[in-house]
Amino acid sequence: DAGVTQSPTHLIKTRGQHVTLRCSPISGHKSVSWYQQVLGQGPQFIFQYYEKEERGRGNFPDRFSARQFPNYSSELNVNALLLGDSALYLCASSSLGEGETQYFGPGTRLLVL
Amino acid sequence: RKEVEQDPGPFNVPEGATVAFNCTYSNSASQSFFWYRQDCRKEPKLLMSVYSSGNEDGRFTAQLNRASQYISLLIRDSKLSDSATYLCVVMGYSGYSTLTFGKGTMLLVSP
Repeated sequence: DAGVTQSPTHLIKTRGQHVTLRCSPISGHKSVSWYQQVLGQGPQFIFQYYEKEERGRGNFPDRFSARQFPNYSSELNVNALLLGDSALYLCASSSLGEGETQYFGPGTRLLVL
Repeated sequence: RKEVEQDPGPFNVPEGATVAFNCTYSNSASQSFFWYRQDCRKEPKLLMSVYSSGNEDGRFTAQLNRASQYISLLIRDSKLSDSATYLCVVMGYSGYSTLTFGKGTMLLVSP
């Protein structure tokens, strides 16, 4: 079975640009969560989507937005990039039937110059 | 007080050693607890869930003390391949489940 997939794997942007990151969950999983992990820290929760609806949002500015599609894949968008947005962006999928254990994709490493 | 606190390490141990990691959490309403392992520049991978009764998976033993809001992970007979960062993770639920991570404890196992 394929695990969680994310694209692209790496990305370099400049300040002020916007970026779209993509995630495909494990087959059968309807919930997708996004996390930001800056160097030396644990991942921080950004969003959770379930059945195309936003279920929760972490303490991130409105420059961050996301959506989930009918096939349960998801996009994370970040506008007006700042240097501090440089991080590993992780997507996790989960299933209510598995106690919502979250399985992570390989991440997208974003560098903002 | 941080929501999930861990000693960042690094813990440097020789092969075959036993090493213990500790973690405390602040939200007493937290519902589920996990240890994830993260290799350098890779994604976190679930190592094991943690239960009040304690649970063991091979060389790994995890324990939860809800009264003290304390979680532990014991690794016996350390292998070189155990070198990684170990993340203590707490799941809360308020209409949806979300994971709160500690900063992680780095383990370096040397020959």
